Amino acid sequence: AQTVTQSQPEMSVQEAETVTLSCTYDTSESDYYLFWYKQPPSRQMILVIRQEAYKQQNATENRFSVNFQKAAKSFSLKISDSQLGDAAMYFCAYQKGGGSQGNLIFGKGTKLSVKP
Amino acid sequence: DGGITQSPKYLFRKEGQNVTLSCEQNLNHDAMYWYRQDPGQGLRLIYYSQIVNDFQKGDIAEGYSVSREKKESFPLTVTSAQKNPTAFYLCASSINQVMDNQPQHFGDGTRLSIL
Repeated sequence: AQTVTQSQPEMSVQEAETVTLSCTYDTSESDYYLFWYKQPPSRQMILVIRQEAYKQQNATENRFSVNFQKAAKSFSLKISDSQLGDAAMYFCAYQKGGGSQGNLIFGKGTKLSVKP
Repeated sequence: DGGITQSPKYLFRKEGQNVTLSCEQNLNHDAMYWYRQDPGQGLRLIYYSQIVNDFQKGDIAEGYSVSREKKESFPLTVTSAQKNPTAFYLCASSINQVMDNQPQHFGDGTRLSIL
């Protein structure tokens, strides 16, 4: 069975600094997708970034980028120039590929605090 | 604006009572999902539906039921068989595109508590 592990329950970063959130996963599939979602205190889940496993290039969305290491099954999220609004729970998620629209498997999350 | 609307925001259930959580989307998405979130946990899939009149069980379907009579709507019923229903429930939807997983978009959630 596929699993997603986020080993950092909490992280803290100074405003304008850079922080990296860790995520590892376990799967025997070769076709899959990985996601980072942000959940602010409002509790809505917001998509941060998406990575296709067959793409070697790391996904980037403005200040957010990933370090995707397929062989190591690692998918870390780097937040550059951290802002107060980045404070939230961050969830790493895995989904089997091939158009299967079920089974988005989530890690337990990392709570990120941003210090002014 | 297009989006996913969940209602109510807060819901209370008495012992032995069934309650229904509403989820409506105007994104024209084919696929819809229900997740449960417990404190300190990630989201766990309850049910999902890829098309109208069809749905599949997720990892924790026991004690829950769903229907998908319209594309826009995917209500979740928490039955009396669910002995620990207190949780935060999130509905999501996505484009159902063969061979290319599209990201899921989420509603604002419903918090269910037992009286």
